[in-house]
Amino acid sequence: KAGVTQTPRYLIKTRGQQVTLSCSPISGHRSVSWYQQTPGQGLQFLFEYFSETQRNKGNFPGRFSGRQFSNSRSEMNVSTLELGDSALYLCASSLDLNTGELFFGEGSRLTVL
Amino acid sequence: GQQVMQIPQYQHVQEGEDFTTYCNSSTTLSNIQWYKQRPGGHPVFLIQLVKSGEVKKQKRLTFQFGEAKKNSSLHITATQTTDVGTYFCADPNTNAGKSTFGDGTTLTVKP
Repeated sequence: KAGVTQTPRYLIKTRGQQVTLSCSPISGHRSVSWYQQTPGQGLQFLFEYFSETQRNKGNFPGRFSGRQFSNSRSEMNVSTLELGDSALYLCASSLDLNTGELFFGEGSRLTVL
Repeated sequence: GQQVMQIPQYQHVQEGEDFTTYCNSSTTLSNIQWYKQRPGGHPVFLIQLVKSGEVKKQKRLTFQFGEAKKNSSLHITATQTTDVGTYFCADPNTNAGKSTFGDGTTLTVKP
């Protein structure tokens, strides 16, 4: 069974640009969550999607957005990039909403110059 | 808001020594999870504890959930270099539909 797949794995952007990250969950998993990981801030929850609906959102500005498609694949977008957005963005899938164990992808490492 | 705090932030041990990381919540938890992230890797689920006072073992790893369900610990006996990484506790917070992670304890093991 394939794991959670995130693309791209690495990317470099400049301030003001926007970026889209993609996540394909484990087959059969319907819930997808996104986390931002930085050395100083740990794992910060961004949002969770289930059945194409955003169920929860963390404390991030509106520049951070996401969506989920009918096949459970998810994308997140960050517009007007800032230097502080440099981080590892992790996607995690779970079988269903509120079912605990998270399966993480390898992450997308974003560097903003 | 709900917080999950972990100590210590860093721990350096000699191979063969024991290691413990502690997790404390500001509120009573329904469950608690533990994850391990190897350097350059992604978090991997280790275990979930549900019951008050629960103790679970995985080989050299012992996980405990406090009686009041507000704290938890992970103890590694006789560390090995393969234990290197960051250990996170997490509150699944299943009612709110999101997981809150502690800041993690980064373990380094000197051979």
